[in-house]
Amino acid sequence: DTAVSQTPKYLVTQMGNDKSIKCEQNLGHDTMYWYKQDSKKFLKIMFSYNNKELIINETVPNRFSPKSPDKAHLNLHINSLELGDSAVYFCASKQTENTEAFFGQGTRLTVV
Amino acid sequence: LAKTTQPISMDSYEGQEVNITCSHNNIATNDYITWYQQFPSQGPRFIIQGYKTKVTNEVASLFIPADRKSSTLSLPRVSLSDTAVYYCLVGDSNSGNTPLVFGKGTRLSVIA
Repeated sequence: DTAVSQTPKYLVTQMGNDKSIKCEQNLGHDTMYWYKQDSKKFLKIMFSYNNKELIINETVPNRFSPKSPDKAHLNLHINSLELGDSAVYFCASKQTENTEAFFGQGTRLTVV
Repeated sequence: LAKTTQPISMDSYEGQEVNITCSHNNIATNDYITWYQQFPSQGPRFIIQGYKTKVTNEVASLFIPADRKSSTLSLPRVSLSDTAVYYCLVGDSNSGNTPLVFGKGTRLSVIA
């Protein structure tokens, strides 16, 4: 079973559209993350979230919003997509007091 | 969060030992040092974590000097499949909702 799963794996969409990427973890972790990896391969934290606190990277546009229906899910909603949003988005999870974070396989978003 | 500095890239032949050093001069007392590995088209994967001295697991060793201002990831007898980007992270990752902040990493190329 996949520990952290993201859907879809690939997403191609037009500018101006609204899209969502789903993330689920079956590890019982209490903290989940979203990262963006652009064409230069720099892995940038977007959000860090547990059931108590949301930490937002202040450089992330407010067109991006995390939604967590429960502890096992952290979905990423993106409004009014722009060309610069094209990147690979990774979801990850971790238990607060533990060391290791587990990453999903990534979602390659292409905005045309 | 402590800033980290690593070489941008390294090359090695198969079968050699590879040492990747990370500088983190402003590491805090509560900070741990964690290394992740990322293969192309995959999410990062935890390799090893340490606080001081030496830590060894089935994949790698981590050497941390007494002042903790640097650390060295050692990969014994690398193979072609070890070609990846290696990230050094420094932070209090075992406490609270602490984002995992990735630097630019070191791109290791293993040559036959």
